[in-house]
Amino acid sequence: SAVISQKPSRDICQRGTSLTIQCQVDSQVTMMFWYRQQPGQSLTLIATANQGSEATYESGFVIDKFPISRPNLTFSTLTVSNMSPEDSSIYLCSVLRGGETQYFGPGTRLLVL
Amino acid sequence: GIQVEQSPPDLILQEGANSTLRCNFSDSVNNLQWFHQNPWGQLINLFYIPSGTKQNGRLSATTVATERYSLLYISSSQTTDSGVYFCAVGDKYNFNKFYFGSGTKLNVKP
Repeated sequence: SAVISQKPSRDICQRGTSLTIQCQVDSQVTMMFWYRQQPGQSLTLIATANQGSEATYESGFVIDKFPISRPNLTFSTLTVSNMSPEDSSIYLCSVLRGGETQYFGPGTRLLVL
Repeated sequence: GIQVEQSPPDLILQEGANSTLRCNFSDSVNNLQWFHQNPWGQLINLFYIPSGTKQNGRLSATTVATERYSLLYISSSQTTDSGVYFCAVGDKYNFNKFYFGSGTKLNVKP
């Protein structure tokens, strides 16, 4: 299994501001994943974060809006920039263990006013 | 990308009842997992099951990879089983890309 923590657990932000979400894993992993879950919806992959290289973004997500850092093998951050109410979602980080099983952090609930 | 369809979208059960959730996917996959998202939003991995059958207590799952579907069985349901069940499949051409279904929202009533 994997123990993953995220900070903050929730936040309420004003439009136009930015929020950085942290994700910490209990042991080293090659890749970390960031997902967005809009209210009542399924999960959508934002990007894959590799240590030592730029993140790989999925279609519809861009680095200027969702910059990601991956300074080491146990930590990553996702920033939601210049927020609008449409960014209100749960943001989740995850890791893949053994090349098979995906484990998720508890999520960050973001409300943008 | 791979299309993942889950059915039914909503399910209401009386405590003690059994249920079957279905996941259909549009292409061959190298990974299939079932997750339970509890009412607090936490996603819990239930099964890694790209093929075959597994059981864990009251839950079991079967994937028929050649026919591109998976089933999750819940027996003797309890109120704590309430939440959303997601099926996620892995792209065989990109081992790190997962596609999630839209989920089945289960409400178990006492």
